[in-house]
Amino acid sequence: SQQGEEDPQALSIQEGENATMNCSYKTSINNLQWYRQNSGRGLVHLILIRSNEREKHSGRLRVTLDTSKKSSSLLITASRAADTASYFCATDKGAAGNKLTFGGGTRVLVKP
Amino acid sequence: ETGVTQSPTHLIKTRGQQVTLRCSSQSGHNTVSWYQQALGQGPQFIFQYYREEENGRGNFPPRFSGLQFPNYSSELNVNALELDDSALYLCASSLEADNEQFFGPGTRLTVL
Repeated sequence: SQQGEEDPQALSIQEGENATMNCSYKTSINNLQWYRQNSGRGLVHLILIRSNEREKHSGRLRVTLDTSKKSSSLLITASRAADTASYFCATDKGAAGNKLTFGGGTRVLVKP
Repeated sequence: ETGVTQSPTHLIKTRGQQVTLRCSSQSGHNTVSWYQQALGQGPQFIFQYYREEENGRGNFPPRFSGLQFPNYSSELNVNALELDDSALYLCASSLEADNEQFFGPGTRLTVL
């Protein structure tokens, strides 16, 4: 079963616009990570936010975490056509055997 | 590039056959995790190996088995293939069992 659920399932925007996607999860976590996947290939790690952090930035990415609502959001600012991909959130509980539990993903299309 | 490689890239098998997928970890990493990603879904955790021992297993039947070798490369074996085993199989290596995971490009398995 999947821990996280992304919303929306798909997103279509124009180049230059911002893209926001959300992730909800069910149980307590240690870390939450966001990954990008192009055309069904390998996952690229974007950003990790720990359960005691509320916001994190990396380049054009901004991630927030609200542990009281068990939710996270990923904002991509000034999107580019190259940002077209599927985005997944993944949580772990920090126990030995760092199993990642993924959501179903948000498919983002950035139109030039 | 994460330094994690997988072979083969694509594979076609028929129902009932057996398959072996291979993963070469990033240099110095002693932990490898395997995930199954069905089309349109997020990856699901199969199992993790840490220093050649299984270190956690997801909800997969025993016909999914694995090995990790002294050089920390790894194999995923699936016996008695079923149509539903068609998926992208991803391996991820990490420095220790509870560290960030770096994903390989995946092996696309099609079962006919």
